[in-house]
Amino acid sequence: TQLLEQSPQFLSIQEGENLTVYCNSSSVFSSLQWYRQEPGEGPVLLVTVVTGGEVKKLKRLTFQFGDARKDSSLHITAAQPGDTGLYLCAGLPTGKLIFGQGTTLQVKP
Amino acid sequence: GAVVSQHPSRVICKSGTSVKIECRSLDFQATTMFWYRQFPKQSLMLMATSNEGSKATYEQGVEKDKFLINHASLTLSTLTVTSAHPEDSSFYICSAGGSKGYGYTFGSGTRLTVV
Repeated sequence: TQLLEQSPQFLSIQEGENLTVYCNSSSVFSSLQWYRQEPGEGPVLLVTVVTGGEVKKLKRLTFQFGDARKDSSLHITAAQPGDTGLYLCAGLPTGKLIFGQGTTLQVKP
Repeated sequence: GAVVSQHPSRVICKSGTSVKIECRSLDFQATTMFWYRQFPKQSLMLMATSNEGSKATYEQGVEKDKFLINHASLTLSTLTVTSAHPEDSSFYICSAGGSKGYGYTFGSGTRLTVV
């Protein structure tokens, strides 16, 4: 059983398109984090959302934390080939950082 | 910002030998570090939590005698894969930080290939 369900797991789109990645759980999280990982490297933190209903923006990336703090979403506007990578949501339900299954995003020029 | 250094980045070893991977926090002290394993195109699976000065805690299904973890100082944790077999080939990543539940910093990972 996956504590953090992430969808979709694979996404291939054309440059300029928009996309949304979802991270859902039946559990309440005090915070959720989003990471991006490139092949052969460790994940890099993009954002941490803490407050229910919170929206954070990072250039073309918009992160939202659900009101009940059980889910989060990542929306990318006008995707670029440089956005290609593995996107991971993560949380600390028991003091240990665990990850969703990840979303592999490919943006074609 | 916080930096975690992991070495080696790549290692190839023969079956039956042991391999040690180091994870260092360069500019902060880490009482806790985490070790993950990642298969191609998959997410990170937590293997164990490394605690400075005490025994590591392992996730269910992870063999503690095979994956030895030592956290002897506040800046260094090591993972030793003992008697390695081809099925141990994977990408191993450590992380530290996460003060007050905020983001963790990850090492750059170690690609282990057992031949």
